[in-house]
Amino acid sequence: AQTVTQSQPEMSVQEAETVTLSCTYDTSENNYYLFWYKQPPSRQMILVIRQEAYKQQNATENRFSVNFQKAAKSFSLKISDSQLGDTAMYFCAFRRTSYDKVIFGPGTSLSVIP
Amino acid sequence: EAQVTQNPRYLITVTGKKLTVTCSQNMNHEYMSWYRQDPGLGLRQIYYSMNVEVTDKGDVPEGYKVSRKEKRNFPLILESPSPNQTSLYFCASMSGGIIAGELFFGEGSRLTVL
Repeated sequence: AQTVTQSQPEMSVQEAETVTLSCTYDTSENNYYLFWYKQPPSRQMILVIRQEAYKQQNATENRFSVNFQKAAKSFSLKISDSQLGDTAMYFCAFRRTSYDKVIFGPGTSLSVIP
Repeated sequence: EAQVTQNPRYLITVTGKKLTVTCSQNMNHEYMSWYRQDPGLGLRQIYYSMNVEVTDKGDVPEGYKVSRKEKRNFPLILESPSPNQTSLYFCASMSGGIIAGELFFGEGSRLTVL
């Protein structure tokens, strides 16, 4: 069975600094998809970034980028130039190519400090 | 506007009183799913449906029922709620196929069972 682990329950970062959130997963699949979702205090779940396992290039979306290490089964999220609006819970998620399940990690609570 | 709509957003009920949380999406998505979110556990899948009249258990299905009679609707039914079902519930939908579709989430339903 697939599992997703986020080893940092809470993190904080100074505004304008860079922070990296960790995620590891366990799977025997070769092709799959990985996601980072953001949940601000409003509770709305928002997709931040996605990565296809067959792509070697790391995904980037503006200030958000990932470090995808397939062999190590690691999928970290880097937030550059942190802003107050980045304060949120961040969830790492895994999905097989068949769309039966999306499995979430326990989340990392990120606080951006002015 | 593409959206997933859940109702009610907040509900306080008593043990044993049947309730239904409705979920509707307007994106013609084949896939729909229910999650519950609890502190330290992330989002855990309750049930999912890959199309009309097709439903499957997720990781925590006990105490819940679902139905998928129409493509757009996927209600979650608690036949006899218990206090351990106090949680934040999310409905989500996703486009079908093997592309890296993202989950679109509703705004969440906060349920308290006394």
